[in-house]
Amino acid sequence: GEDVEQSLFLSVREGDSSVINCTYTDSSSTYLYWYKQEPGAGLQLLTYIFSNMDMKQDQRLTVLLNKKDKHLSLRIADTQTGDSAIYFCAESPGYSSASKIIFGSGTRLSIRP
Amino acid sequence: NAGVTQTPKFQVLKTGQSMTLQCAQDMNHNSMYWYRQDPGMGLRLIYYSASEGTTDKGEVPNGYNVSRLNKREFSLRLESAAPSQTSVYFCASRGQGAQRSEAFFGQGTRLTVV
Repeated sequence: GEDVEQSLFLSVREGDSSVINCTYTDSSSTYLYWYKQEPGAGLQLLTYIFSNMDMKQDQRLTVLLNKKDKHLSLRIADTQTGDSAIYFCAESPGYSSASKIIFGSGTRLSIRP
Repeated sequence: NAGVTQTPKFQVLKTGQSMTLQCAQDMNHNSMYWYRQDPGMGLRLIYYSASEGTTDKGEVPNGYNVSRLNKREFSLRLESAAPSQTSVYFCASRGQGAQRSEAFFGQGTRLTVV
């Protein structure tokens, strides 16, 4: 079945890089996502990676995908206080546009001054 | 362009009461989803709909029913609310083909069952 796992908490110093890790189980996943949720708000798509890619960079965000180990990571460079949020990893198994989207439990990122 | 709109934003129910959560999207998306979010458990899929007229169970469907009224709307019904259904509910939609890459979420409905 599908399962997505993440660590629950991460604390980093302002200005450092944050690395949030995720593992997933379904090898047929075609899209893998990172979403951000600020307190009291909905989910905002940060970035996604297609399964035929190893890396994707978008300004301060770098996504790395290791398909062999089913491991996904999100690196945030120069972490700022505005990056404090919960970050969700999600996978979309299969190739059909009707596929489910399965979420991890989220990683709460806190920033130390 | 409103995206995904959920109503209501907040609701308090008594145990045993029923209610319907409404969701509408204006992006002509085929797929729509209902999730619940509980602390430390992330988002769990309740039901989803791949297209108008079809619905499928997700991870936690018990106690819920859904209806895909048309392409735009996907409603979630609690027939007899229980305190365990206290949660924040999110609706999402996703396009097809090249638009599969992104799922859009509503702002959520915070439901409390007392």
